[in-house]
Amino acid sequence: EADIYQTPRYLVIGTGKKITLECSQTMGHDKMYWYQQDPGMELHLIHYSYGVNSTEKGDLSSESTVSRIRTEHFPLTLESARPSHTSQYLCASSRLAGGTGELFFGEGSRLTVL
Amino acid sequence: KNEVEQSPQNLTAQEGEFITINCSYSVGISALHWLQQHPGGGIVSLFMLSSGKKKHGRLIATINIQEKHSSLHITASHPRDSAVYICAVSNYGGSQGNLIFGKGTKLSVKP
Repeated sequence: EADIYQTPRYLVIGTGKKITLECSQTMGHDKMYWYQQDPGMELHLIHYSYGVNSTEKGDLSSESTVSRIRTEHFPLTLESARPSHTSQYLCASSRLAGGTGELFFGEGSRLTVL
Repeated sequence: KNEVEQSPQNLTAQEGEFITINCSYSVGISALHWLQQHPGGGIVSLFMLSSGKKKHGRLIATINIQEKHSSLHITASHPRDSAVYICAVSNYGGSQGNLIFGKGTKLSVKP
């Protein structure tokens, strides 16, 4: 059973609000990822991290930021939510650098921006 | 052209049928992952492999490094196997977190 948790699972907010999606894992994994996925579509990488104080942008990182102050915690922040941010956000982790470890995914956070 | 191609995009099968989903890639890889995503969104890792073949229950995954091709087989398919199956590769020397995803294969198994 995967030990990676996302909160909230569902969130409905108004345009312009600041939100933080939480992701925590208890497996001691170095690599963590945030993906955005629209219904029926493929995963798009938003941000990733190789470890504490290491963060990199993916191909869809605009308007969001991440931090990695602790190994187990990788929150994603939208400073000013817009309707175009409506989507599912998936957090994942793996043990080894280079992505050669097994991938573990959280249950996802489904965001609706009105 | 996508670096990871899956076929077919959609697949409908009758319960009990043998199913094959294919994945071809065009980059150097250190590992290939098969993932399963059920309606509702959660993703589960089925296999991670870098050579040969792995088996777990009714699922079998194979990879041919020389041909840059992998297959996922499901024997005696069941309606609960209905899901999207995603192939992803860990790319040597790539950026973008080193993972490249296919677009997924949507499988529907009818009773």
